[in-house]
Amino acid sequence: NAGVTQTPKFQVLKTGQSMTLQCAQDMNHEYMSWYRQDPGMGLRLIHYSVGAGITDQGEVPNGYNVSRSTTEDFPLRLLSAAPSQTSVYFCASSYGLGRSIEAFFGQGTRLTVV
Amino acid sequence: DAKTTQPPSMDCAEGRAANLPCNHSTISGNEYVYWYRQIHSQGPQYIIHGLKNNETNEMASLIITEDRKSSTLILPHATLRDTAVYYCIVLSGGTSYGKLTFGQGTILTVHP
Repeated sequence: NAGVTQTPKFQVLKTGQSMTLQCAQDMNHEYMSWYRQDPGMGLRLIHYSVGAGITDQGEVPNGYNVSRSTTEDFPLRLLSAAPSQTSVYFCASSYGLGRSIEAFFGQGTRLTVV
Repeated sequence: DAKTTQPPSMDCAEGRAANLPCNHSTISGNEYVYWYRQIHSQGPQYIIHGLKNNETNEMASLIITEDRKSSTLILPHATLRDTAVYYCIVLSGGTSYGKLTFGQGTILTVHP
């Protein structure tokens, strides 16, 4: 059981480039979400999804897009990378309404924008 | 979701109990208290959660006061591997959609 898998683990981008951070879970969880963590800070929610085809914005959504075409996958797209998006990105998944909201996190993607 | 207040840092000797407090004075009746920890920039790890009653699992115990305005996470026999940032999070079970609001947390350092 792999849990939540994020790829890549490390990435360096130039300003203005675009890329997609991948997130996959094999636990059949309804909820998935993306967080970013800046140095010395707690995690902040970027986007989340309550099921396939349904996404919504979190606290810091600007500059990011998401889609949820399957239950398993929840990719995060950076449209035009900026140095302010240098951060560690975490994907999480959990069961849905009415069940324990124990979230499982991936190991993170460390992104540097130069 | 209710806001939480935690001390920024705490120390504990290896083998002793670590007691991490959390204040959540504005918690409402349908909100749960969750604890997560993050070890050295890894993804956060779920520890325990509770609503009213005290809870215990293989990792820790959670003590919630009768008025539910505060709680304490207890690691009964802390080890060096328990050194981490501990986050206390309050959220509604029914409508939070798995969205977690992380504050600054408490940096727990376990000393030999």
